[in-house]
Amino acid sequence: DSGVTQTPKHLITATGQRVTLRCSPRSGDLSVYWYQQSLDQGLQFLIHYYNGEERAKGNILERFSAQQFPDLHSELNLSSLELGDSALYFCASSSPDRGNNEQFFGPGTRLTVL
Amino acid sequence: AQTVTQSQPEMSVQEAETVTLSCTYDTSENNYYLFWYKQPPSRQMILVIRQEAYKQQNATENRFSVNFQKAAKSFSLKISDSQLGDTAMYFCAFMTPGAGSYQLTFGKGTKLSVIP
Repeated sequence: DSGVTQTPKHLITATGQRVTLRCSPRSGDLSVYWYQQSLDQGLQFLIHYYNGEERAKGNILERFSAQQFPDLHSELNLSSLELGDSALYFCASSSPDRGNNEQFFGPGTRLTVL
Repeated sequence: AQTVTQSQPEMSVQEAETVTLSCTYDTSENNYYLFWYKQPPSRQMILVIRQEAYKQQNATENRFSVNFQKAAKSFSLKISDSQLGDTAMYFCAFMTPGAGSYQLTFGKGTKLSVIP
């Protein structure tokens, strides 16, 4: 158990819909990263939040957005969903401010868009 | 931009034998970190081993060790005494602390099967 939690574990929805994925980092970790794992693209970095502020963006679509709340949990919002958005979405947390840049991954949310 | 290449999509090894997974990367950075992650059928991403680029000594973790060749930009993973539980996807990953963000860049992965 990495200490990172993600909900829900599975999500099935239809094209055009909007969903929210939730991530709670390990206790004390200020950084949250979101990654997408798909058959086509492999594992890709989406976005990084540090203590509530966006730090870096990767290959994140404009239809996707994220935020990190004062209690440090993070949400990834996916809207106008397309079939190609079906993937496993991971969040990971770390504490580089404590000299540890190792990222601990949550169990992932499996999104299926029908 | 950094890239990570894993040239072996699939590999197999007999139980108790040794296997080496290859990884090469491309970067112009001097300060970076390299990782191997394991993803078993459960899909959980598990850190296997890490290497800091400034360290010349190769990292080891029990049955797992790396061969880090900085000049060649090569970072291979050796698994000794392979066990059935080692069956998984293995991802090589690169991280550089650019602009305060430590995101990982992953290779496409190598699917390792350990045969009884």
